[in-house]
Amino acid sequence: DTEVTQTPKHLVMGMTNKKSLKCEQHMGHRAMYWYKQKAKKPPELMFVYSYEKLSINESVPSRFSPECPNSSLLNLHLHALQPEDSALYLCASSHGGGIEQFFGPGTRLTVL
Amino acid sequence: SQQGEEDPQALSIQEGENATMNCSYKTSINNLQWYRQNSGRGLVHLILIRSNEREKHSGRLRVTLDTSKKSSSLLITASRAADTASYFCATPTGANNLFFGTGTRLTVIP
Repeated sequence: DTEVTQTPKHLVMGMTNKKSLKCEQHMGHRAMYWYKQKAKKPPELMFVYSYEKLSINESVPSRFSPECPNSSLLNLHLHALQPEDSALYLCASSHGGGIEQFFGPGTRLTVL
Repeated sequence: SQQGEEDPQALSIQEGENATMNCSYKTSINNLQWYRQNSGRGLVHLILIRSNEREKHSGRLRVTLDTSKKSSSLLITASRAADTASYFCATPTGANNLFFGTGTRLTVIP
């Protein structure tokens, strides 16, 4: 299985809602990533998990809370988001740092 | 910032023509990668070239790397409508990061 899956594909939420994005891979990768991508811009790194531990948090607001329950799963918990948080959220995984990353299809998030 | 700059920002060509896009980066690297992204979808890894390599081929793709100029190019030969996508270069930094360039939006007209 060489696929990274993400659910849901689309999410619309109000500013007071709590929701979660989910990501799963079964390639035995030990690094997993969350990226945020605005339209016509490159992906911007948010978080990196290495061996299920948070290794990088790129100064992301606390309304985004990552979680890595096990080596195959990565969640992103969302709470009290702002309209400017609307974007495509991408999950990726890799065997290690600085090498090929495998991306999921993304979750298109709209915050009303 | 490690982020790469790509040019052109957008490129429109006829099917069958070649497409060339360029990437410049700012600091020393041990490899450079190219990714493709179809509209609103995830990125797909195309090719990785190491700092000690000058040129690499994969099917219709040819990548060059000039570390003295801190630049790379991606050539897609005999383009097809299915090649329409955004293309990003990416350079590793730190233990687990990739910084993505600004991207080139390629349109191949049938």
